[in-house]
Amino acid sequence: QVQLVESGGDVVQPGGSLRLSCKASGFAFRNYAMHWVRQAPGKGLEWVAFTSFDGRDKKYGESVKGRFTVSRDNSDNTLFLQMNSLRRDDTALYYCARELGAAPANWGQGALVTVSS
Amino acid sequence: QSALTQPASVSGSPGQSITISCTGASRDVWTYNLVSWYQQHPGKAPKLIIYEDNKRPSGISNRFSGSKSGNAASLTISGLQAEDEADYFCFSSTGHYVFGSGTEVTV
Repeated sequence: QVQLVESGGDVVQPGGSLRLSCKASGFAFRNYAMHWVRQAPGKGLEWVAFTSFDGRDKKYGESVKGRFTVSRDNSDNTLFLQMNSLRRDDTALYYCARELGAAPANWGQGALVTVSS
Repeated sequence: QSALTQPASVSGSPGQSITISCTGASRDVWTYNLVSWYQQHPGKAPKLIIYEDNKRPSGISNRFSGSKSGNAASLTISGLQAEDEADYFCFSSTGHYVFGSGTEVTV
């Protein structure tokens, strides 16, 4: 079955960088668009980034545009989120998700990013 | 992109039906968008229950139904059950992407 496993979450200082990974299995990763979504502690869901199946089309939420970069390695079934210039309000659980019908459909369990000095 | 607006909370008794609304300020959001809905239990990842306005993924109960009209979308849960108690989020896509503010459902 579809499995998505995020990794790379950590505690990082404000202004620092971090790269999240999402390893996919159980489906043809190269055929699917992917999303990153985050959820701050006790808060709602916030859409972060999108990449098309081939990585040519990418979109970002306004709050992360210019600081975060989504990429993928279809030869290794892995999705990435490079996060730079991190701020305290980036603290959240970050989920990767496979797309179905223009929506994040199958979700991983998340990677926790804490931005704190 | 501002979050879509949902009621903060909705409650109902077992067996009843409830409806959660999802509205957006931008006319464009509703002209060409597709709406999906998610259920999230505490400590769990969100679960897709409706996509492309009114389609259910495999394995999702037909007690969940989605609709869209004018500048709003709705999720209806019929035959409310204790296990339906959770947070629900709408999501709009096509071109740009945004989640709703979330609704806590109490049974």
